[in-house]
Amino acid sequence: KNEVEQSPQNLTAQEGEFITINCSYSVGISALHWLQQHPGGGIVSLFMLSSGKKKHGRLIATINIQEKHSSLHITASHPRDSAVYICAVRSLSGSRLTFGEGTQLTVNP
Amino acid sequence: DTGVSQDPRHKITKRGQNVTFRCDPISEHNRLYWYRQTLGQGPEFLTYFQNEAQLEKSRLLSDRFSAERPKGSFSTLEIQRTEQGDSAMYLCASSPYRDRSFYEQYFGPGTRLTVT
Repeated sequence: KNEVEQSPQNLTAQEGEFITINCSYSVGISALHWLQQHPGGGIVSLFMLSSGKKKHGRLIATINIQEKHSSLHITASHPRDSAVYICAVRSLSGSRLTFGEGTQLTVNP
Repeated sequence: DTGVSQDPRHKITKRGQNVTFRCDPISEHNRLYWYRQTLGQGPEFLTYFQNEAQLEKSRLLSDRFSAERPKGSFSTLEIQRTEQGDSAMYLCASSPYRDRSFYEQYFGPGTRLTVT
């Protein structure tokens, strides 16, 4: 079993839909990151959180430390949100990130 | 600042050849990370530096792999005697680190290696 599991692996939505991507992890962490990767490889950090909830524009990330679970929500999805979304956890020592396999999101107009 | 840059962006090499990649981090960032990503998978940690010191290496980093950050600025990742299994995207990231606080990592565009 991977230390970081994401679901779903693939997600197709219609423009305007509310989207949720889930991440579960099995190790102790100092922080959790949500990242976005577009075709061609470029990775952009969306959130880094260690508790509670963060919001940036149409994106919301939550984390429940006790349950070892995080969710990324996208409200009013748009085709430009189509990308791979990756959850990564930072080790307790803080020295490395362990990544999930990513969720391929496709938003159709 | 223009962000993290990597060179080359693409490299095609024949099996058995040596390759070297370069990463230039954001200038004030003292931590630099190398990751490898194969198709359809999330990135995997390879190694990281704080200033010029290499503080951790993954077991994925076999003896054929070596990384340096000689002056605490840019870093190089060398792969000797490349194998087809080395084909992947090699990602570099940097972040500040101070006062025992951790910050977001900023990723470069990656170097895509194809070993034929």
